[in-house]
Amino acid sequence: EVQLVESGGGLIQPGGSLRLSCAASGFSVSSSYMTWVRQAPGKGLEWVAVIYSDGNTYYADFVRGRFNVSRDNSKNTLYVEMNSLRSEDSAVYYCARMSSTWYDPWFDPWGQGTLVTVSS
Amino acid sequence: QSALTQPASVSGSPGQSITISCTGTSSDVGDYNYVSWYRQHPGKAPKLLIFDVTNRPSGVSNRFSGSKSGNTASLTISGLQAEDEADYYCSSFTTSNTFVLFGGGTKLTVL
Repeated sequence: EVQLVESGGGLIQPGGSLRLSCAASGFSVSSSYMTWVRQAPGKGLEWVAVIYSDGNTYYADFVRGRFNVSRDNSKNTLYVEMNSLRSEDSAVYYCARMSSTWYDPWFDPWGQGTLVTVSS
Repeated sequence: QSALTQPASVSGSPGQSITISCTGTSSDVGDYNYVSWYRQHPGKAPKLLIFDVTNRPSGVSNRFSGSKSGNTASLTISGLQAEDEADYYCSSFTTSNTFVLFGGGTKLTVL
């Protein structure tokens, strides 16, 4: 079964750092395009970042320079390192497998999400 | 880049059909057949319903169908069921540096 399980969310102070993990099963993270999408409480979905199968990464403007997406092929796990966190980064963070064509982005499956709360 | 425009809410009775619209621009929905739709039940992850405007993934009911005209894509759900009550989001490729846009979401209420 193709599945994604996120972990690592929690309460963090503004300016702090947090690393989220997304463990995949049923497929290979290294040969897939993998993304992070977030959803602030009561709000809509917002694309955050993607890592392509060749290792290249691309970020939304609002996280570029602060977030870093990586993967561990041996653990079949995706990560996002989030630095200089702001209150507006508070959201449920989902990882998702993206379609294999960068200009035709659709996402399936999605993980269950992990909640990040940035507050003092 | 603004989100794609969806109605905040729609409703319908069991057995009826409803349509949710998703309006963009010529930089996204209008010029590219790369629109997808997702359903999200409260507290759950989104689920892919439609990709490339009209295509259903394996396992998705044929009660769900997609279409597009100009800058507006649409999701139609026929034979409404109680389980269809959820939030629905559209998404599209965009030539902006965001590369993918989501709609603001539509809450479907089954009366």
